[in-house]
Amino acid sequence: NAGVTQTPKFQVLKTGQSMTLQCAQDMNHNSMYWYRQDPGMGLRLIYYSASEGTTDKGEVPNGYNVSRLNKREFSLRLESAAPSQTSVYFCASSEGRRSYEQYFGPGTRLTVT
Amino acid sequence: QKEVEQDPGPLSVPEGAIVSLNCTYSNSAFQYFMWYRQYSRKGPELLMYTYSSGNKEDGRFTAQVDKSSKYISLFIRDSQPSDSATYLCATIKGGSSNTGKLIFGQGTTLQVKP
Repeated sequence: NAGVTQTPKFQVLKTGQSMTLQCAQDMNHNSMYWYRQDPGMGLRLIYYSASEGTTDKGEVPNGYNVSRLNKREFSLRLESAAPSQTSVYFCASSEGRRSYEQYFGPGTRLTVT
Repeated sequence: QKEVEQDPGPLSVPEGAIVSLNCTYSNSAFQYFMWYRQYSRKGPELLMYTYSSGNKEDGRFTAQVDKSSKYISLFIRDSQPSDSATYLCATIKGGSSNTGKLIFGQGTTLQVKP
């Protein structure tokens, strides 16, 4: 099992460009999450999806959109990237009733210049 | 005020030392408390979780929750260089195990020197 996979691993964008971060899990989990991690800030939840077809905002949703394409895949889109979105982005998944046990992907390092 | 506060360190100890990592939280409704470990340039992984108050032990690791003081701790006995990582405390907003909204502390970076 690959667990949670993310693409790309690294990305550099110019201000105003758009991009989509891809995430997939092969553990048959219902719930999926997108976090960002910044120095001194810990991990902050951007969006999550409790089940296929549902999404909800987390702590820092502004500037992002998400799509739960199917049970396996959950994508994060930056429509117009800003330098403040320079961060490391992690996707995670969990069983619905065990959201304390989240499985994380390897992360995407995004730099916006 | 952050809902979960954690001293970012860094913390440096000699091999074999007992390590104490701590967090405080603000909302008495929180029920689940987790410790995640994150190696450099990797995603976090769950180390332990505790429900409500009390202690939980797993090998060299002990998690402790004191709800009266809103304090959570992770103790590492006989620390090893392989324990060098960032340790993140977390809880679940809303208190239920299925809400999914985790709140993390800032993380404490630990270095165990041989």
